[in-house]
This record gives sequence, structure tokens and C-alpha cells, in this order.
Amino acid sequence: EPEVTQTPSHQVTQMGQEVILRCVPISNHLYFYWYRQILGQKVEFLVSFYNNEISEKSEIFDDQFSVERPDGSNFTLKIRSTKLEDSAMYFCASSIGTDSYEQYFGPGTRLTVT
Amino acid sequence: AQTVTQSQPEMSVQEAETVTLSCTYDTSENNYYLFWYKQPPSRQMILVIRQEAYKQQNATENRFSVNFQKAAKSFSLKISDSQLGDTAMYFCAFISNTGNQFYFGTGTSLTVIP
Repeated sequence: EPEVTQTPSHQVTQMGQEVILRCVPISNHLYFYWYRQILGQKVEFLVSFYNNEISEKSEIFDDQFSVERPDGSNFTLKIRSTKLEDSAMYFCASSIGTDSYEQYFGPGTRLTVT
Repeated sequence: AQTVTQSQPEMSVQEAETVTLSCTYDTSENNYYLFWYKQPPSRQMILVIRQEAYKQQNATENRFSVNFQKAAKSFSLKISDSQLGDTAMYFCAFISNTGNQFYFGTGTSLTVIP
């Protein structure tokens, strides 16, 4: 069965550094998402992406964050200057379209900012 | 704004017994979808069951069933014949059919005891 994949599984970075989290959505899916889960807290929506542009974003998704689909398969989340509070699990998800609300989640990338 | 509340942070159940996880939500939307996702210790979220708000019939998926009470805005998950592999964090999630982001509850950690 097709799966969403994410790399790396764990990323450690120093405060102020830039990080790029990578995701490969399911190949025929058209909508892509990033979510964040701070340890012990709920999963929070960051951004959705369709047709090479952001379709919706939360207030968490400030100017430090950006997303990109650099080629036909990858979907990336960049954090320009990481802060301690960016430490979290980051989940990528994809869905086939707006008439199918089921989102398929990747295994997540654990980001640790020191 | 949409909110999802899971009032049981932790639950346990004996193997082969039945357990019910609670979820309530708040929305002014009339058409939406509700989901239960399972997040085992391996961390990847897996869809357990989904319910369309316009359907009165409760969704069932093998040992998993829901009790959807639209007027009460309640969406509980019943797991029958609990198995050790059911041990996981369970998240209730909401998405309206006019938006494309999930709203998650804080999760219920379920432990199945042998």
C-alpha cells in the first residue's frame, strides 16, 4: 500500500540554524500538509499546499516557515532560524483531493533544537 | 472556530474486553467529517475509522465502531475484543467540508493489559 515517507526520522540542530524537513507524499495525491506535535500536546495544523501554492496556514506558520514542492515528488518544510520552541514532531500528510477528506500521515520527523 | 476535546488522557483495558474512548467537538458547520486516528509507539498515525456528519448510521470497521451523536456533538470510539496491538495514542479529529485542515483532540493513551 502506498505510504507517505519522511526524512530524516530525527534531526538535531542548534538554535538559529536552518532546517529542511522532507516528505514524499503518495504519488497521485494533490494536497499536502504539515502538522506539528509538541511533546505531550495535540497535533496542530501548520499549512496546506495545493497546485504549488499555500492554500491555508495557521498562525503558527509565520515568516520563519516556508514550504516548497521542488520537484514532482518531494514536499519540504523549511524553518529558517530555529528556536527552542520549534522542537516537536513534524508530520507530513497528503490527500487525493478535497472530495476525499482522508489524509494519510507520514511517520514524522522529530526535530530537536538545542 | 472548531475545537475537539478528548477528556480522557489515559485509559486501560483488559485484553479481550471492550473500551470506549470519548470525544466531543464544537463547530457551527453542518457538513463535516470526523475521524479516529491511532498513533502506536512507532509514531505513524493510522486512520482507524471515519464518519460523515450527514450519515446517521454509525460507522463500523471490524472491531472498531463509533457512536456519533450529531446533536450532542459527540463522537466516541468503541473497541471490542481489545488486543495488545491496540495499545496506542488515539486522536479524534474533525474536518469541515469547506476547509482542508484537521483539528485534533489532545489524545487518549490506551493501554491494553494482557
